[in-house]
Amino acid sequence: GAVVSQHPSWVICKSGTSVKIECRSLDFQATTMFWYRQFPKQSLMLMATSNEGSKATYEQGVEKDKFLINHASLTLSTLTVTSAHPEDSSFYICSAREEDRGEWSQPQHFGDGTRLSIL
Amino acid sequence: GENVEQHPSTLSVQEGDSAVIKCTYSDSASNYFPWYKQELGKGPQLIIDIRSNVGEKKDQRIAVTLNKTAKHFSLHITETQPEDSAVYFCAASIYTGGFKTIFGAGTRLFVKA
Repeated sequence: GAVVSQHPSWVICKSGTSVKIECRSLDFQATTMFWYRQFPKQSLMLMATSNEGSKATYEQGVEKDKFLINHASLTLSTLTVTSAHPEDSSFYICSAREEDRGEWSQPQHFGDGTRLSIL
Repeated sequence: GENVEQHPSTLSVQEGDSAVIKCTYSDSASNYFPWYKQELGKGPQLIIDIRSNVGEKKDQRIAVTLNKTAKHFSLHITETQPEDSAVYFCAASIYTGGFKTIFGAGTRLFVKA
């Protein structure tokens, strides 16, 4: 159980292109979804948190107009990198979590990531 | 805010030996501590977790211990195998109007055959 599917797994595109990445929870309802960026040999850097039907909350330093997040349903969130440039090249990973119950957090489950290369 | 420190950054062990990864957290209000394994080119996968009302949890060859007083928690892998080689992340969750999970910097584990 608790499978998160992320597509595409690899994208190579020209500078100036917009790229959309999809994240789906396959067997649970994801009240909250997260988008991370990971540089080589580094930890996960949280970009934004989204709750179904609400606007995403972006971390400091993350451009909301550059990284558009839509969490339209309890099983789908999308990240669109608009007008991508080489410096946006990175490994992007989504994560999903069921509704928290009481005093305990539910675990986050991760997708397999999307490697984005901008030429 | 909450801060999670993880050590060591790199760990090399011989197959069959045990591996221990340690983490400390700063905010005593954190109450949920998951551990993730990330293989090359993949996303992190949850391998074990522990809540603050428990001191130890075991699942086959892996175990996690929690010392709330010292704000330490550790991952123990026994009888290591080459397929255990990966990056391991600890994390601490804290409620701040919603649960927020803070990740450690990761430990790269190499298991030599």
